Amino acid sequence: NAGVMQNPRHLVRRRGQEARLRCSPMKGHSHVYWYRQLPEEGLKFMVYLQKENIIDESGMPKERFSAEFPKEGPSILRIQQVVRGDSAAYFCASSPVLGNTIYFGEGSWLTVV
Amino acid sequence: TQLLEQSPQFLSIQEGENLTVYCNSSSVFSSLQWYRQEPGEGPVLLVTVVTGGEVKKLKRLTFQFGDARKDSSLHITAAQPGDTGLYLCAGASLPGGSEKLVFGKGTKLTVNP
Repeated sequence: NAGVMQNPRHLVRRRGQEARLRCSPMKGHSHVYWYRQLPEEGLKFMVYLQKENIIDESGMPKERFSAEFPKEGPSILRIQQVVRGDSAAYFCASSPVLGNTIYFGEGSWLTVV
Repeated sequence: TQLLEQSPQFLSIQEGENLTVYCNSSSVFSSLQWYRQEPGEGPVLLVTVVTGGEVKKLKRLTFQFGDARKDSSLHITAAQPGDTGLYLCAGASLPGGSEKLVFGKGTKLTVNP
């Protein structure tokens, strides 16, 4: 049973470009969460989605960031017009139902140059 | 805003020594989880503690949840180089609510052979 799959694992973008990070949850999991880990900081919750619905986006920056989890395909975290401060590790996690243990993927490391 | 303070931030010990890592907060959590993260990887769940005063053992690792559910500790007996890694605690606010975890910044443990 494959774990949470994230790609790309590493992404380099120039300031002003767009970054798209993809996450395929574990098989049978319909709940997806995105967390961000800034250098020397703990993981911070960004957004919680179910299929086709954003349930809680209270941790998302107000501008440039968006997330989706379509009916078919992976969840996508999109960062428009990236800035150096967006450089971080972005982790996706999934769970089968609300309140159950969440399982993290191996992360996508974004570097903005 | 809920915060989890982990101490110490860094810990370097010799193989065979015992150690304790602490996770403290002024807030009450419905559950607390401990993760271990290797460089370039995602967090891997070690244990979840739910009941105040609960003690759980995982081989040489002992986890305790404070009576008031505001703090937790991780004790490792006879540490081995394979225990090296970043240990993270994370708290959930709502019963069964793991989707919006609050993470500490972690304790970076190095066990020298």
